Amino acid sequence: DTEVTQTPKHLVMGMTNKKSLKCEQHMGHRAMYWYKQKAKKPPELMFVYSYEKLSINESVPSRFSPECPNSSLLNLHLHALQPEDSALYLCASSQGAAGQETQYFGPGTRLLVL
Amino acid sequence: QKEVEQDPGPLSVPEGAIVSLNCTYSNSAFQYFMWYRQYSRKGPELLMYTYSSGNKEDGRFTAQVDKSSKYISLFIRDSQPSDSATYLCAMNYGGATNKLIFGTGTLLAVQP
Repeated sequence: DTEVTQTPKHLVMGMTNKKSLKCEQHMGHRAMYWYKQKAKKPPELMFVYSYEKLSINESVPSRFSPECPNSSLLNLHLHALQPEDSALYLCASSQGAAGQETQYFGPGTRLLVL
Repeated sequence: QKEVEQDPGPLSVPEGAIVSLNCTYSNSAFQYFMWYRQYSRKGPELLMYTYSSGNKEDGRFTAQVDKSSKYISLFIRDSQPSDSATYLCAMNYGGATNKLIFGTGTLLAVQP
């Protein structure tokens, strides 16, 4: 089973709202990732968690706040977003070991900020 | 110069054709090479994963890596309309947690 699940599938929020995106995997992977993808562009890395610790933050604005409650779950908390933050938000996971670099992606959450 | 270059297409082929998708890269430190398929409004799906130079085959798909030329390819034999999607090449340096460097993606349309 190489499944990464994400909820919700779609989200519409105003610029003053607070919302959260959720990601879950049960493959025993110890590395989890958040990517942002705009239309007709490749995914852009936002955050990497390794063994539940934040290991990479790609200079993402503070209105995006990641959280890794345990090894299977990854959240992305959203607050005071801008319309240009509208995109497909993808979660991915990998085993988190050298030589096991394959990343598996979830279906994404399509976010619209009004 | 981008680290990874990929022709964005679109590429349109008739059903049954052999499709060749390519990426070039500039950093010789890349060690792991992946191809993802992404249908419209869906997440990327891993198709092929190769380490170092050589070929790898999986059904109708063959991935080829030529590290001396910094060039990778994905071949699709007997293409089907269901292969219509965006194909993304990706690569990284290796290590336990690693940043994937993506190409821009090639949009493929297989016409029935």
